[in-house]
Amino acid sequence: AQTVTQSQPEMSVQEAETVTLSCTYDTSESDYYLFWYKQPPSRQMILVIRQEAYKQQNATENRFSVNFQKAAKSFSLKISDSQLGDAAMYFCAYRSAEGYDKIIFGKGTRLHILP
Amino acid sequence: DADVTQTPRNRITKTGKRIMLECSQTKGHDRMYWYRQDPGLGLQLIYYSFDVKDINKGEISDGYSVSRQAQAKFSLSLESAIPNQTALYFCATSDSRLGITYNEQFFGPGTRLTVL
Repeated sequence: AQTVTQSQPEMSVQEAETVTLSCTYDTSESDYYLFWYKQPPSRQMILVIRQEAYKQQNATENRFSVNFQKAAKSFSLKISDSQLGDAAMYFCAYRSAEGYDKIIFGKGTRLHILP
Repeated sequence: DADVTQTPRNRITKTGKRIMLECSQTKGHDRMYWYRQDPGLGLQLIYYSFDVKDINKGEISDGYSVSRQAQAKFSLSLESAIPNQTALYFCATSDSRLGITYNEQFFGPGTRLTVL
């Protein structure tokens, strides 16, 4: 069975600085998808970024980028120029490319932005 | 705007009561899901439905039942609520026609349920 581990329950970063959130996963599959979801105080789950395992190039969405290390089964999220609106719970998630599209979530990292 | 809505947003109930949480979507998606979120545990899948006649159990279906009344509506029921079902519940949708690559899930705003 696949698992997703986020080892940092909480992190803090100064506004305008860069922060990296860690995620590791375990799977025997070769094809899959990885996601970072953001959950602000409003509780809404918002997709931040997606990475296809067959792509070597790291995904980037504006200030958000990932460092995808397939061999190490590592998928970290880098937030550049942190803003107060980035304060949220961040979930790393895994989805198989086969069968039904069940998403497996990590336990989350709460990110605090310090003004 | 096409959206996923959940009612109620918050609910407090007592042990033994029957509770129904409702999810509606205007995205035209065929697949719908119910998740439960507990503090420190991420989201866990309760039930999922690929269409009106295709409903499947997820990781933690015990104590829950679902009904897919139409493509746009997916309800979650707690037949006899118990305190350890206190959690945040999310509905999500996805569109299988987009293919697996773009088949991301879109989440509703969540329902906070408290069972006393």
